[in-house]
Amino acid sequence: RKEVEQDPGPFNVPEGATVAFNCTYSNSASQSFFWYRQDCRKEPKLLMSVYSSGNEDGRFTAQLNKASQYVSLLIRDSQPSDSATYLCAVYTNAGKSTFGDGTTLTEKP
Amino acid sequence: EAGVAQSPRYKIIEKRQSVAFWCNPISGHATLYWYQQILGQGPKLLIQFQNNGVVDDSQLPKDRFSAERLKGVDSTLKIQPAKLEDSAVYLCASSTWGDSYEQYFGPGTRLTVT
Repeated sequence: RKEVEQDPGPFNVPEGATVAFNCTYSNSASQSFFWYRQDCRKEPKLLMSVYSSGNEDGRFTAQLNKASQYVSLLIRDSQPSDSATYLCAVYTNAGKSTFGDGTTLTEKP
Repeated sequence: EAGVAQSPRYKIIEKRQSVAFWCNPISGHATLYWYQQILGQGPKLLIQFQNNGVVDDSQLPKDRFSAERLKGVDSTLKIQPAKLEDSAVYLCASSTWGDSYEQYFGPGTRLTVT
């Protein structure tokens, strides 16, 4: 079993839809969580940090459920520019990082 | 503020040859990471440095891969000898250490082993 698991998708959604991605992690010592966005043939870029109280940035909301060991990313009013792969990153308290394989979002025309 | 710099951007070598990648992190970032990303997968951590000490190299194939970070600034990753399965994008990232582990990635080096 992978340390960080994501549904690879692809999620094909129409413009304006709301879409949610989940990321589950197995190491209970994990303490810091992030979502990254990766466009095709580009490097990952930090999208947002995930705080225990949740985090919202415009159309994006990230939440953490430590009891069930998952983090989520919600995108409201999805736009064609949101088409990308979304990577979940998890850090232990020793600072060791592990990335998931990503979830691909595709906007349906 | 300058981002993470990497070179070369592309490299094609034959199997059994050697190759080296260079990374210069964001100024002031104590932590430097090297990742291998194979098409369709997430970045896989190869080695993580804090300043010039190794924090984690558990997934580094030490029989063929080596990395160093002299003086706690820039870093090189070497593969010798290369195998076909080493074809991937090699990403370097840097972050501060402690409260925030927000990583900033360089553009990567796309390696093709033939």
